[in-house]
Amino acid sequence: QKEVEQDPGPLSVPEGAIVSLNCTYSNSAFQYFMWYRQYSRKGPELLMYTYSSGNKEDGRFTAQVDKSSKYISLFIRDSQPSDSATYLCAMSALSNYQLIWGAGTKLIIKP
Amino acid sequence: GAVVSQHPSWVICKSGTSVKIECRSLDFQATTMFWYRQFPKQSLMLMATSNEGSKATYEQGVEKDKFLINHASLTLSTLTVTSAHPEDSSFYICSARSTGKETQYFGPGTRLLVL
Repeated sequence: QKEVEQDPGPLSVPEGAIVSLNCTYSNSAFQYFMWYRQYSRKGPELLMYTYSSGNKEDGRFTAQVDKSSKYISLFIRDSQPSDSATYLCAMSALSNYQLIWGAGTKLIIKP
Repeated sequence: GAVVSQHPSWVICKSGTSVKIECRSLDFQATTMFWYRQFPKQSLMLMATSNEGSKATYEQGVEKDKFLINHASLTLSTLTVTSAHPEDSSFYICSARSTGKETQYFGPGTRLLVL
């Protein structure tokens, strides 16, 4: 079993829909949770960063962490075609900061 | 936000030659830099972690004599692919992190094609 599980998709939704992207993990030591967005042939771009449990909102993006369930989510409201990309979750433990990555979910927003 | 640059953005070389890729943090001091490779439609694979002034720590299965990493300053790390072969063709991405921070900031990547 991988430490971090993420459905690779693709996930295809119409423009304007709310998108929900998720990752599950097995290591209870993870404390830091990140979401990165990667466009084709580009490096990943940090979208959201949360520490421990709870929600964090930034514009159309909301990151949610449920440590009891070992489950994290990224919600995108009012999705746009420009949101089409691969979304990667990453997390690390307090001790070493080494990032453990999900496989990435390819998101397609249809106009 | 923190900016990381990579050079070159793409390179084509003949089999057997060596290729150097530079990674620079432009507006912060990167005490730790990471090198990843990514194959098409796959996630990032960490190759090595380097701390400024120290030898790089390589992940299992990554040949340190083939992928030479130098982190000579707080803003620059280089990856040299020595005696490159077609199977080394990939997308190489660096990231950088400053002291005490958890987040990594990524460069735009370097696409390497070995003929």
